[in-house]
Amino acid sequence: QSALTQPASVSGSPGQSITISCTGTSSDVGGYNYVSWYQQRPGKAPKLIIYDVSKRPSGVSNRFSGSKSGNTASLTISGLQAEDEADYYCSSYTARSTWVFGGGTKLTVL
Amino acid sequence: EVQLVESGGGLVQPGGSLRLSCAASGFTLYRYSMNWVRQAPGKGLEWVSHIVASTTTTYYADSVKGRFTISRDNAKNSLYLQTNSLRAEDTAVYYCARAFNFDYWGQGTLVTVSS
Repeated sequence: QSALTQPASVSGSPGQSITISCTGTSSDVGGYNYVSWYQQRPGKAPKLIIYDVSKRPSGVSNRFSGSKSGNTASLTISGLQAEDEADYYCSSYTARSTWVFGGGTKLTVL
Repeated sequence: EVQLVESGGGLVQPGGSLRLSCAASGFTLYRYSMNWVRQAPGKGLEWVSHIVASTTTTYYADSVKGRFTISRDNAKNSLYLQTNSLRAEDTAVYYCARAFNFDYWGQGTLVTVSS
């Protein structure tokens, strides 16, 4: 199972919006609405920020939003803040009853 | 409060074995599906294994199939990962994560495979 494709890095200035893409296939991202996004700060465990494509867990800022079109899912962070600087990973359930993660995207807040 | 605490990592020689544990509190582990996810040093996340809620149905990544076994002890509210025939490429921090959406994660336990 190949990893989902994410850009290695993205950057933005405080207050701006950024979008991170996550591209898979019809056997994973395109076939199921089980795409999740995680935020991981250095030395810490990942934290769930979006599940089922666009749902936010309790306590997660509404500046984080998710969407999907075909085989590509997207995470948008609006009103960028310094504390958003972290690595972001997507994941998807697959047709083989397994899960696959993206390679990760490093977000830099300029 | 939901908590997951992994243990059992360490330094092991190639070909060796380790049993990783994940102690759960704040919820009944048996009622949830559970996962193991690993992260090699400086690398991304890799899903390793899944056990379905209330069953013994299990799934594995191709990279560990036949070498790793996921299980749980309902009385101890704990999840396990038996890792055998370890290779250098299994070196990673191993996390347990709850449910289909990986909604809670432990802090991880480091497994280093080296001679």
